[in-house]
Order: sequence, then structure tokens, then C-alpha cells
Amino acid sequence: EIVMTQSPGTLSVSPGERATLSCRASQSVNSNLAWYQQKPGRAPRLLIYGASTRATGFPVRFSGSGSGTEFTLTISSLQSEDFAVYYCQQYNNWPQTFGQGTKLEIK
Amino acid sequence: EVQLVESGGGLIQPGGSLRLSCAASGFTFSSYNMNWVRQAPGKGLEWVSYISSSSSPIYYADSVKGRFTISRDNAKNSLYLHMNSLRAEDTAVYYCARSPWGGYDDSWGQGTLVTVPS
Repeated sequence: EIVMTQSPGTLSVSPGERATLSCRASQSVNSNLAWYQQKPGRAPRLLIYGASTRATGFPVRFSGSGSGTEFTLTISSLQSEDFAVYYCQQYNNWPQTFGQGTKLEIK
Repeated sequence: EVQLVESGGGLIQPGGSLRLSCAASGFTFSSYNMNWVRQAPGKGLEWVSYISSSSSPIYYADSVKGRFTISRDNAKNSLYLHMNSLRAEDTAVYYCARSPWGGYDDSWGQGTLVTVPS
């Protein structure tokens, strides 16, 4: 099973600043990597797939990069609605596996 | 609009059984692969089971293999998860999710809570 490790566990950032979230895979997942956003009491929402393709409804301030084992989610200028938990997921191998999540909180 | 609505959750004693349902609408259900993903209270996401659009192949997480059965009825636009021999560690919100390419999940239901007391 591929283990996905996200860092940091919690990230405190001020509105308007840039946030960088990391996700590392225990072995190569090529570009088969997705990011999800989850707000309290809500279902996860697909944010990025194919490591860098933004899903419908998310603005351009969200971007994904990386391939192989190292991936990054960048939010260029944080808005209040961006504070949430973010999960990465690999779907290169079965079982598909998620990272433990990064909580993005207001500083 | 894509809609996925789960039902069937509740409080169930250890060793008991439960069947979750997911009603799909707003898209051609028979053309899509589907997943069940769960989230224990205050914890992260855990993939549970996958079923292709044609019901083969099917995959399970090791944690539920032999106890849970995924199925679908394309005529009824419905996905199911039959859960047997339930344990306290199965306590979670269970989400059904649409999986366009058998990989990432592009639409999720609101979830249904299954509680198995210890």
C-alpha cells in the first residue's frame, strides 16, 4: 500500500498571504494525484486531479504541481473561504490512499 | 445537477449488519464507476470499496474485505454497501462518490453516519 504523507499537519496563514501544502508518496504515483478541500460538517470536494488540473468551480488562485513522489498545493492569496482541511489522494495503485490532511487555519 | 444521497446509517450493535444506499441523479449513473469512502469522527478519509460501471471489477480495503459487499443497480440508479460483522472501528460517516476514471472522485454525497458502540 502506498503511504501518503502530508505536511504540515496544521498551517496558520493570514488572509491575502500565500499557502503551500505538501504531499509525499512512499513510491511513485506518476501524476495520479488529487487534492480535496473539506470544510467542517461538509463532504470533501474535488479541487485538483492529475496533480495539476483544477476542478470545476475553483478559482485560479489554487494550483497543483509535482509528479512521482512529491506534490504541492499552492493557494496564492488566501481568502476567508479557503480555510479548511486539504487532503491529497493517490489513485495510481489499489488501494487508493489518502494523506492524513493539512488543516489550513487563519493566523 | 449531480446529486448523490446516502441513507441507511444508524446505531448498530457490534456484530450486526447494515445496508447503506446511495441514490444518484443528474447524470448517467450506469456510465460511472463508484466508490464508498468513510471518515471516522475527527479523522481523515479512508477509501472503503470500488465498483466499476459494469459491476466488475470490484475492490475492497483490507479493513473491510470479507465483511462488506458493494453492489449497484443501474436500473434504479443506486449504489449499495452491505456491511456485516460490524465493529466499533467501523464507526464513521460513509460517503458515496462518483469516480469518472476509477481514480479521483469528482462528486460526493453528504454522507450517512454509522455508529457501532464499543
